[in-house]
Amino acid sequence: AQSVTQPDARVTVSEGASLQLRCKYSYFGTPYLFWYVQYPRQGLQLLLKYYPGDPVVQGVNGFEAEFSKSNSSFHLRKASVHWSDWAVYFCAVILSSGSWQLIFGSGTQLTVMP
Amino acid sequence: EAAVTQSPRNKVAVTGGKVTLSCNQTNNHNNMYWYRQDTGHGLRLIHYSYGAGSTEKGDIPDGYKASRPSQENFSLILELATPSQTSVYFCASGGRDGNQAPLFGEGTRLSVL
Repeated sequence: AQSVTQPDARVTVSEGASLQLRCKYSYFGTPYLFWYVQYPRQGLQLLLKYYPGDPVVQGVNGFEAEFSKSNSSFHLRKASVHWSDWAVYFCAVILSSGSWQLIFGSGTQLTVMP
Repeated sequence: EAAVTQSPRNKVAVTGGKVTLSCNQTNNHNNMYWYRQDTGHGLRLIHYSYGAGSTEKGDIPDGYKASRPSQENFSLILELATPSQTSVYFCASGGRDGNQAPLFGEGTRLSVL
């Protein structure tokens, strides 16, 4: 079955440290991939999106992600984390054949330590 | 500015009552989605739509109906609300073929007592 997996439910990093949040997808086709961020009691905000092309995509607030077809992955990275990055991060995929459903991973809670 | 607006933002309903959650988008997107978010479950797709007049079942459609009377509006209907439907509901809109990233509303917090 097509799915999105975020293997880390919680990640804790120190402010100023680098960050990688993992995302794996299972899909036999060309995926459209997204990372969203959710701050407490708010909706989801788009961080970045991948459409077939350059595997490294840049997003807002210094975030970037790299698509790997061989690894079926779309990991999110940031060089230096700020306290304001404390939030829940969701990876999502649009299934490009047939239904165009938008499917989400279970999310990763990022905690930033001073 | 592109936007997805949900109403109401908060709702308290009684068991067995009818609840309608509304969503309006000004993005001229074809696709619209309804999700619920519960602790431990992430976002689960309830219904979605490809355009006016279409509704499709998502992963958890039982107990919910959807209506897409126009390009801009997509409603989620709970005909007989139950306490298990207490949740936060999110609406989103997106482009026809995925090349326009889906955008989300601020959510509706529903409590069924």
